[in-house]
Amino acid sequence: KAGVTQTPRYLIKTRGQQVTLSCSPISGHRSVSWYQQTPGQGLQFLFEYFSETQRNKGNFPGRFSGRQFSNSRSEMNVSTLELGDSALYLCASSLAPAVEAFFGQGTRLTVV
Amino acid sequence: GNSVTQMEGPVTLSEEAFLTINCTYTATGYPSLFWYVQYPGEGLQLLLKATKADDKGSNKGFEATYRKETTSFHLEKGSVQVSDSAVYFCALRDSGGSNYKLTFGKGTLLTVNP
Repeated sequence: KAGVTQTPRYLIKTRGQQVTLSCSPISGHRSVSWYQQTPGQGLQFLFEYFSETQRNKGNFPGRFSGRQFSNSRSEMNVSTLELGDSALYLCASSLAPAVEAFFGQGTRLTVV
Repeated sequence: GNSVTQMEGPVTLSEEAFLTINCTYTATGYPSLFWYVQYPGEGLQLLLKATKADDKGSNKGFEATYRKETTSFHLEKGSVQVSDSAVYFCALRDSGGSNYKLTFGKGTLLTVNP
């Protein structure tokens, strides 16, 4: 069974640009969550989707958005990039929101 | 709110030494508890889990017991290997409400020397 797939693995963007990250969950998993990992703040929750609906959102500005498609694949978008958005963005999938989550390898975003 | 506190690293051990990484938590509901491991340049891998008090999670020689009375979930391994060198994260998922986000500790870097 394939794991969680995140694309691309690495991205370099310029301040002010926007970026879209993609996540394909484990087959059969309907819940997808996104986390930001930085050395200073650690792992922080961005949002959670289940059956195409955003169920919860973390404490991030409106520049961070996401969506989930009918096949459970998810994308997150960051507009007007800032230097502080440089981070490892991790996607996690689970069968349902309350059970164990499995993570992808992440997308390393560098904003210059 | 929910929080997880785990011992500050880094932790440096010799091969075959005993490992303990302490983890305590605060939660408003009835959390499930997890240990994740992150190898350099990789995402998080689920190492083990426990979903209720007194459950013991185990995997690859690692163990952790859900202690509700001390709100703890300490990670242990009897004999570490060089390949265990990684960052270990303790996490909780609160099932008492509607927000099932994972709350993580800050991570503990483990280095095992041959």
